[in-house]
Amino acid sequence: GDSVTQMEGPVTLSEEAFLTINCTYTATGYPSLFWYVQYPGEGLQLLLKATKADDKGSNKGFEATYRKETTSFHLEKGSVQVSDSAVYFCALGSYSSASKIIFGSGTRLSIRP
Amino acid sequence: NAGVTQTPKFQVLKTGQSMTLQCAQDMNHEYMSWYRQDPGMGLRLIHYSVGAGITDQGEVPNGYNVSRSTTEDFPLRLLSAAPSQTSVYFCASTVTQGTEKLFFGSGTQLSVL
Repeated sequence: GDSVTQMEGPVTLSEEAFLTINCTYTATGYPSLFWYVQYPGEGLQLLLKATKADDKGSNKGFEATYRKETTSFHLEKGSVQVSDSAVYFCALGSYSSASKIIFGSGTRLSIRP
Repeated sequence: NAGVTQTPKFQVLKTGQSMTLQCAQDMNHEYMSWYRQDPGMGLRLIHYSVGAGITDQGEVPNGYNVSRSTTEDFPLRLLSAAPSQTSVYFCASTVTQGTEKLFFGSGTQLSVL
């Protein structure tokens, strides 16, 4: 079935460092891909999305490119801030399961001042 | 601007007790869902509803009941709590099923002793 695999955390970086969180997927067809973010004490919220191959989603300085050839959707940011500390979830829109949106296991990111 | 409201935020139960987790949204969304979040497993869909009077099972429905008597409310019932149901529970909604941007509540931390 469809699935999402993302790098395990926690990831700890210094402020202004470059961030990459890896995400790969297995799916039939051409699913939409998403990154959701969960700040401490809050529910998840959509960070960015891409709906077809080679699309780049971007928001708040974060970017991710839909790579069909490598089935990947890695999250990047050029210069992280303390306020980016959160848990990040990669997800895909699945038409083969009741879930419709399948989430990865999440990656906890901590940024040191 | 309430969005999706979940109550309670924290709950401790003894094995065999029953309880209801409340979820309400004020955005007139047709689609509502319940997820559980467990370490290393991401979010898994428990039950969902595509409109008032209509509910269906997700990936992990056993031990949970739902009903949808109004568009706004989607309570989740644990009939006889078990330690395996210790988790963080999230309610989410969106305009219609298949729409990709889910709006999440802030979660309920449930411990079953």
